[in-house]
Amino acid sequence: AQTVTQSQPEMSVQEAETVTLSCTYDTSESDYYLFWYKQPPSRQMILVIRQEAYKQQNATENRFSVNFQKAAKSFSLKISDSQLGDAAMYFCAVPLLTGTASKLTFGTGTRLQVTL
Amino acid sequence: NAGVTQTPKFQVLKTGQSMTLQCAQDMNHEYMSWYRQDPGMGLRLIHYSVGAGITDQGEVPNGYNVSRSTTEDFPLRLLSAAPSQTSVYFCASSSREASNEKLFFGSGTQLSVL
Repeated sequence: AQTVTQSQPEMSVQEAETVTLSCTYDTSESDYYLFWYKQPPSRQMILVIRQEAYKQQNATENRFSVNFQKAAKSFSLKISDSQLGDAAMYFCAVPLLTGTASKLTFGTGTRLQVTL
Repeated sequence: NAGVTQTPKFQVLKTGQSMTLQCAQDMNHEYMSWYRQDPGMGLRLIHYSVGAGITDQGEVPNGYNVSRSTTEDFPLRLLSAAPSQTSVYFCASSSREASNEKLFFGSGTQLSVL
């Protein structure tokens, strides 16, 4: 069964600095997607970034990028130039079924605080 | 853009009561799913559907029923609520097209069972 581990329950970063959130996973699939979701206090789940496992190039979305190490099954999220609005819970997720995001396994989340 | 709409946003039930959490999406997505979120835990899959008339169990299905009579709607039924079902419930949908692989979430339902 797929498992997702986020070993950092809480992280703190100063505004304008860079922070990296860790995620490791276990899957027997060879082709899959990985996701980072953000959950602000509003409770809404917001997709931050998506990585396709068969692509060697790391995904980037504006200030957000990933460091994907397929062999190590590691999928970390880097947030550059942190802003107050980045404060939220961040969840890493891996599909339970190859080729579809319809069923995801989520990590327990990392709460990110952004300080002035 | 309505996206995924969940109702109600908040609900308080007494143990043993029944209720239905509603979920509707207007994106013509084939896949729909229900998750629950408990404190200190990630979202866990309750039930999912790959199309009208097709449903299957997820990681934590006990105590919940679902049906999918239309592409748009995917209600979640609690037949006899228990305090252990106090949680935040999220409905989500996604497209079958690989190029659009991502989940769209509703805004969640906070359910308390006393």
